[in-house]
Amino acid sequence: EIVLTQSPVTLSLSPGERATLSCRASQSVKRNLAWYQQKPGQAPRLLIYDASNRATGIPTRFSGSGSGTDFTLTISSLEPEDLAVYYCQNSKFFGPGTKVEIK
Amino acid sequence: EVQLVESGGHLVQRGGSLTLSCAASGFTFRNFWMSWVRQAPGKGLEWVANINEDGSEKYFGDSVKGRFTISRDNAWDSLYLHMNSLRAEDTAVYYCGRVRGGYDVRDFWGQGTRVTVSS
Repeated sequence: EIVLTQSPVTLSLSPGERATLSCRASQSVKRNLAWYQQKPGQAPRLLIYDASNRATGIPTRFSGSGSGTDFTLTISSLEPEDLAVYYCQNSKFFGPGTKVEIK
Repeated sequence: EVQLVESGGHLVQRGGSLTLSCAASGFTFRNFWMSWVRQAPGKGLEWVANINEDGSEKYFGDSVKGRFTISRDNAWDSLYLHMNSLRAEDTAVYYCGRVRGGYDVRDFWGQGTRVTVSS
């Protein structure tokens, strides 16, 4: 069983700042990692797949990197609409999420 | 445009049964694996079940194995989740998702349907 750990639990930043979210897998998942964004009251939305590929329609300020056990989701310049919980996923496993708050 | 629309969620008594539906449109439904994922109030995402393109392969999370089943009707572009012996801990919003790739990326999600199990 793969365990996905995300940090930090909560990230509070001002608009325009850079957000760096981490996802760590308990064993290598190669580059088989996806990131989802879930805004309040909405369904999750796919942001990144295969660790670094943006899904269709995702703004370029979102980028993913990493391989093996350590992955990063970066929001280069935070927008107010980026308020959300971000989840990483591999196979049937989801991480617990990182909540991004806007100051 | 890909659309997934869930329905069927409502208040049910503990021990009861319920069937959720997911109507798909905007893509060739029979060519994709499909998935159910749930989210308990204030909690994270939990995988529930997957089904392959023709319904011959089905997989379930440990918490629902033996109580839930998944099915699909490719003639009607519809996905179903049949839930039996419902427990309070099954209370959640249930999302259907289209699956792509070898590690179950859900590239499209429905808006969810809420199931509440009363004790």
